[in-house]
Amino acid sequence: EPEVTQTPSHQVTQMGQEVILRCVPISNHLYFYWYRQILGQKVEFLVSFYNNEISEKSEIFDDQFSVERPDGSNFTLKIRSTKLEDSAMYFCASKTAGSWTGELFFGEGSRLTVL
Amino acid sequence: DQQVKQNSPSLSVQEGRISILNCDYTNSMFDYFLWYKKYPAEGPTFLISISSIKDKNEDGRFTVFLNKSAKHLSLHIVPSQPGDSAVYFCAAREMLMDSSYKLIFGSGTRLLVRP
Repeated sequence: EPEVTQTPSHQVTQMGQEVILRCVPISNHLYFYWYRQILGQKVEFLVSFYNNEISEKSEIFDDQFSVERPDGSNFTLKIRSTKLEDSAMYFCASKTAGSWTGELFFGEGSRLTVL
Repeated sequence: DQQVKQNSPSLSVQEGRISILNCDYTNSMFDYFLWYKKYPAEGPTFLISISSIKDKNEDGRFTVFLNKSAKHLSLHIVPSQPGDSAVYFCAAREMLMDSSYKLIFGSGTRLLVRP
């Protein structure tokens, strides 16, 4: 069964360092998302991406964040200068063009720990 | 601004009995509602959804009820099984300007099914 894959599964970084989280969405999907979950809290929307541009971004997705689909298969989230409060589980998700049910397919997540 | 609320952080149920998980929302423009299940260290997985024009959708042991006038939905699991123990997230679909959409999640309810 096709799935969304994310790397790395866990990254530890120093505050102020740049981090890139990578995702390979399901191959025929056209819409891509990043969500995050701070430990014990809800899953929060960060950004949606379609047709090579951002559709919408949340207040969390400030100038330190960026997304890219560099090669038609990968979908990356970059945090330029990490802060302690960026520590969270980051989930990539994707969906097809013709999904009526609203279902997003999520990856297993990348845990980011900022020290 | 919590548009999707799950007021019960946890629920404990005996195996074989019914589990009822509740969710409230504030935005009447949501057109689809979904339930996701999440195990530790995994991404959310889609469970069941309901269109805003329906009041019930059933899939095996899982039934979702929607009460639009009360802006309330619930997930019923019957009979509950120990393998159902997980965190359950309610999510609502919000359309975006480019006809894509994003999901807005509640804070989750941790279900424990006791053998």
